[in-house]
Amino acid sequence: EIVMTQFPVTLSVSPGETVTLSCRASQRVGSSLAWYQQKPGQTPRLLIYDASTRATGIPARFSGGGSGTEFTLAISSLQSEDFAVYYCQQYDNWPTFGGGSKVEIK
Amino acid sequence: QIQLEQSGPEVKPPGSSVKVSCQASGGTFSNNAINWVRQAPGQGLEWVGGVIPMFGTANNPQEFQGRVIITADRSTATSYMEITSLRSEDTAIYYCARSVSGDYRQMDVWGKGTTVIVSS
Repeated sequence: EIVMTQFPVTLSVSPGETVTLSCRASQRVGSSLAWYQQKPGQTPRLLIYDASTRATGIPARFSGGGSGTEFTLAISSLQSEDFAVYYCQQYDNWPTFGGGSKVEIK
Repeated sequence: QIQLEQSGPEVKPPGSSVKVSCQASGGTFSNNAINWVRQAPGQGLEWVGGVIPMFGTANNPQEFQGRVIITADRSTATSYMEITSLRSEDTAIYYCARSVSGDYRQMDVWGKGTTVIVSS
């Protein structure tokens, strides 16, 4: 099983700031990585796939990067609707998710 | 745009079984993998397994093999997930989610989730 580790676990930021979330895989997964956003009481929403491709309808302030074992999700000019939990998921092998990073209002 | 409609909440005693359904409408079903993902209260996401309707093949991580059975009925565009020998740790929201292709890749369409509570 490929273990995905996300950090930081929690990040306190102010609206308008830029945040970068990290995700590390226990073995190389190429670019087979997705990012999801989940708000309380809601279903996860696909943001990024293939490490850096935005899903349909996702604003340009979300950007993904990395390959191999190290990945990032950057959110620029954070807006109120961006405060949520973010999960990474690899699909190079059977899918596994990271534990999540919570972006909360400072 | 495809939508995934899941069955209603369940409360089951430990040791019993539960079967949750996920019906697709408004799009193709056979060509895409269907994943089942669970989320325990206050916890993260966990892939329970999936099925590729075109081939009828199902897959689970090792920890769920033998206890989680995932199937697909192409005639009704419905996937089913059955969990046997329920334990309190199986209490969670169970989501079905479609992968964009015929293997287990990113999941672009999600059902609203089915709450399963295991309690005596």
